[in-house]
Amino acid sequence: GAVVSQHPSWVICKSGTSVKIECRSLDFQATTMFWYRQFPKQSLMLMATSNEGSKATYEQGVEKDKFLINHASLTLSTLTVTSAHPEDSSFYICSARPPEVGWEQYFGPGTRLTVT
Amino acid sequence: LAKTTQPISMDSYEGQEVNITCSHNNIATNDYITWYQQFPSQGPRFIIQGYKTKVTNEVASLFIPADRKSSTLSLPRVSLSDTAVYYCLVGALNQGGKLIFGQGTELSVKP
Repeated sequence: GAVVSQHPSWVICKSGTSVKIECRSLDFQATTMFWYRQFPKQSLMLMATSNEGSKATYEQGVEKDKFLINHASLTLSTLTVTSAHPEDSSFYICSARPPEVGWEQYFGPGTRLTVT
Repeated sequence: LAKTTQPISMDSYEGQEVNITCSHNNIATNDYITWYQQFPSQGPRFIIQGYKTKVTNEVASLFIPADRKSSTLSLPRVSLSDTAVYYCLVGALNQGGKLIFGQGTELSVKP
């Protein structure tokens, strides 16, 4: 099946710094990728839809200036958490949907961000 | 996107069949029903998808009644490794793949 990778798998950063998380579709091209955030013992929350070659679409309540998304190619989307604060500590997961598949999405393994 | 309601948690024992029911009273004509499995600190994994009646694959079955207002994920003979959170999602193919996750069902399989 289709594989989605994320890098890094975990990261610790200091408050005020920025962190970039990469999401790659390894064996298919994805015009659309999605970014989710998940706090402990909670469900996944959709943050934004990443569109190749155009601006991302953010869900209501998600700060677009804080969570910068770039979808520069058909296999790579990046999420940059700018000026991170401890409350941004979370599990960030991306997903991608092969264009020929109806609705099935493939999720990355997630990135654990800890802001100290 | 139709809202879904699932039990927050379920307990089972190894070897038993587990049925997790999801309610989606506002499901639309174009909506499909999809189930995902998530282990701690991992991304969700696709289990099964269906539109009506019954769908079966190598890991699960999905039962959907005629009114489609609910669906039941059936896991035959669960093992300890099936301990995970199971999410039921409802949506249409023309919604650009956007998935809205509900609370999910935390299944605990005991020896």
